[in-house]
Amino acid sequence: QKEVEQNSGPLSVPEGAIASLNCTYSDRGSQSFFWYRQYSGKSPELIMSIYSNGDKEDGRFTAQLNKASQYVSLLIRDSQPSDSATYLCAVNMFRETSYDKVIFGPGTSLSVIP
Amino acid sequence: EAQVTQNPRYLITVTGKKLTVTCSQNMNHEYMSWYRQDPGLGLRQIYYSMNVEVTDKGDVPEGYKVSRKEKRNFPLILESPSPNQTSLYFCASSPAQGAYVFFGSGTQLSVL
Repeated sequence: QKEVEQNSGPLSVPEGAIASLNCTYSDRGSQSFFWYRQYSGKSPELIMSIYSNGDKEDGRFTAQLNKASQYVSLLIRDSQPSDSATYLCAVNMFRETSYDKVIFGPGTSLSVIP
Repeated sequence: EAQVTQNPRYLITVTGKKLTVTCSQNMNHEYMSWYRQDPGLGLRQIYYSMNVEVTDKGDVPEGYKVSRKEKRNFPLILESPSPNQTSLYFCASSPAQGAYVFFGSGTQLSVL
């Protein structure tokens, strides 16, 4: 099982709709979770972090975390064409013999259709 | 402005010609790392550093070297580049173990 898994997509949604991006992870001890947005040829940009079970909202973005199910999601409300990008889920993995490591998922490609 | 600066942005070279990609951060972060990103393979960590003079291998270290002589700088060295090292490279820094990662703008490397 891969440590961080995401649907590769592409996920297509019409402008104004809600985009739902999902991520599962393997390490039950993980405590920190991040969502990055990456435009083609650009560097990943942190858009959300979440540490506790439940929802965290920031503007049009909502991150949801369920540690029991080892599941984290990102909702984008009122999707805009400018949201078209690849979204990377990242999870802090505890390492007993080395430093805690942030593992990135493969990313989900989102396309918002005008 | 908080940033990770890496240079060059684009680099074309030939097999076997040593090269260095520079990386500098102005956030006083202790943790720095290098990633490469390839289609279908995602972000893979090459090397990381927890502090000055402390470095360790990531997931794909073969063919790469790093050094951390100063807290702000973390150069990536390819002693003898090969075509399979053609990739998009990112330098990154982080304020603590397992915390968010802040990326540089990337270096697109082509080895002919």
